[in-house]
Amino acid sequence: DTGVSQNPRHKITKRGQNVTFRCDPISEHNRLYWYRQTLGQGPEFLTYFQNEAQLEKSRLLSDRFSAERPKGSFSTLEIQRTEQGDSAMYLCASSWGGSTGELFFGEGSRLTVL
Amino acid sequence: GEDVEQSLFLSVREGDSSVINCTYTDSSSTYLYWYKQEPGAGLQLLTYIFSNMDMKQDQRLTVLLNKKDKHLSLRIADTQTGDSAIYFCADRSGGSYIPTFGRGTSLIVHP
Repeated sequence: DTGVSQNPRHKITKRGQNVTFRCDPISEHNRLYWYRQTLGQGPEFLTYFQNEAQLEKSRLLSDRFSAERPKGSFSTLEIQRTEQGDSAMYLCASSWGGSTGELFFGEGSRLTVL
Repeated sequence: GEDVEQSLFLSVREGDSSVINCTYTDSSSTYLYWYKQEPGAGLQLLTYIFSNMDMKQDQRLTVLLNKKDKHLSLRIADTQTGDSAIYFCADRSGGSYIPTFGRGTSLIVHP
């Protein structure tokens, strides 16, 4: 069991560029979550999937953000036309779907928009 | 969950006990969690408690839940320098699979 894996770990981009992050969850987990964390704050929910279905999206998720989980395994989070305010740590987590619902997090992907 | 509040900093001496407090507003919170985050890393689940329990102990960790006051605490016995990190409280209502996190409490352990 390799845990939740996120790539890339760090991404520096210029404003206006598109970026994509990938998350590979723990293999037997059917739920996958994306959170965003900025300095001094706790993780803020963005979206989550159960298998390949995207079940909920936060109001924080503007139309420049899109997430997919095409085969119910790995997921991608794409940010189009990045803005400086998008600079944050993007955290992926997965859960096995039982009632206790504890999340297992990856190491995060840090985005810096210049 | 709705809002989850935590004090931002706690400083203790090595060997003492640490108590990190959390309050939440969602009366339908079913599960409450404690996570630990070390610098540059993701969140690590420490423990969780179901809302029908008032205490849970796991080695050096003791979680106390006062459901009436919507207050959760995490006690770390014999705190070590390796316990220095940010600790996040999170809650989840029974009708949702989305935990809501507090801002985190930064625990600093002095030798």
